[in-house]
Amino acid sequence: QQPVQSPQAVILREGEDAVINCSSSKALYSVHWYRQKHGEAPVFLMILLKGGEQKGHDKISASFNEKKQQSSLYLTASQLSYSGTYFCGGPLWENTDKLIFGTGTRLQVFP
Amino acid sequence: KAGVTQTPRYLIKTRGQQVTLSCSPISGHRSVSWYQQTPGQGLQFLFEYFSETQRNKGNFPGRFSGRQFSNSRSEMNVSTLELGDSALYLCASSLGTPAVDTQYFGPGTRLTVL
Repeated sequence: QQPVQSPQAVILREGEDAVINCSSSKALYSVHWYRQKHGEAPVFLMILLKGGEQKGHDKISASFNEKKQQSSLYLTASQLSYSGTYFCGGPLWENTDKLIFGTGTRLQVFP
Repeated sequence: KAGVTQTPRYLIKTRGQQVTLSCSPISGHRSVSWYQQTPGQGLQFLFEYFSETQRNKGNFPGRFSGRQFSNSRSEMNVSTLELGDSALYLCASSLGTPAVDTQYFGPGTRLTVL
């Protein structure tokens, strides 16, 4: 029932781009993206509230295809600070007070 | 504005014991959600409270319980601890429904069961 994220891990050099995909077998009401650095709390990146929506913040953006129940997180010109584990998740349409999350994608950016 | 705080940060318990974890949400936030995080399973939803009412519960045994007080502070309790309960327990607060509102996570309580 958890969303499936791919890839499970990514290694990048500074300045390279990456895409993290999130796919849910059950319909999500919205898609949330968080980043968690080792030993720290997850930090909010963005929420996509409806299909077709795209959002961006600095050089990180995301899209949500509601029909396919797929979301992608795009990281362009990666920086060292992008390193961490990225989680996608969201509430199910049938139960919007309960968020389910994927198992995460570990991203490491090297100089 | 102060962030979400959780106490204690670390706990070591033995099997069979019980434990209570505390979470203080951001001022003004009425929703508090609890998650269990383990390396293999990622973030697993435990329960969500809003204005002292549990609105939702995840697929965890009855040994896991929680409550929310009138000031929105929340506690979760795990009774009869098992080795598999070792995990990072995170709470997150949001203004209203976590479906559309940003959730702000606390630093977590690292529970180790021996």
